[in-house]
Amino acid sequence: KAGVTQTPRYLIKTRGQQVTLSCSPISGHRSVSWYQQTPGQGLQFLFEYFSETQRNKGNFPGRFSGRQFSNSRSEMNVSTLELGDSALYLCASRFSGSTDTQYFGPGTRLTVL
Amino acid sequence: DQQVKQNSPSLSVQEGRISILNCDYTNSMFDYFLWYKKYPAEGPTFLISISSIKDKNEDGRFTVFLNKSAKHLSLHIVPSQPGDSAVYFCAAGSGYTGTASKLTFGTGTRLQVTL
Repeated sequence: KAGVTQTPRYLIKTRGQQVTLSCSPISGHRSVSWYQQTPGQGLQFLFEYFSETQRNKGNFPGRFSGRQFSNSRSEMNVSTLELGDSALYLCASRFSGSTDTQYFGPGTRLTVL
Repeated sequence: DQQVKQNSPSLSVQEGRISILNCDYTNSMFDYFLWYKKYPAEGPTFLISISSIKDKNEDGRFTVFLNKSAKHLSLHIVPSQPGDSAVYFCAAGSGYTGTASKLTFGTGTRLQVTL
């Protein structure tokens, strides 16, 4: 079974631009979560989508948004990029059962210049 | 406000010895805990988890201990192997049997297993 895939793997943008990241979950998984990893901050939860609805949200500004499609694929969008948005963005999927084990993709490394 | 803390940013252990990675948490609502391992350029890989109804969970060379009164958990790796060299993240969540999946992660501990 294929793992979680994320595209693109690397991205360079300039301040003020916007960016869209994509995540394809493991087949059969209906929940997709997004995390931001920065040095010194660890992984910080952005939001979770389940059945095309945002089910949970972290403490990030409204510039960070996401959506999920009917095939469970998810996209994350960051508008008006700031230098501090440079990070590794990780997507995780899980089967929506009672287990909360999340399986992570390799991440998208975003650099904002 | 760091609700999950890994106070040791790095740890070096000799091959064959025990590695002990520690994690403290402050939120009493957390009722399940997980450890992930992360290699460079890869996403975190799930290692082992424990719910708050247990104080120990074992899986091969990996054992997680939970001390609820101290709000402390630890991951023991015995024996340590060079392939265990990675960054280890402790994570916590609440609502184990529910649908919430928001995990709060620590900042990670870099483990280096030397020959």
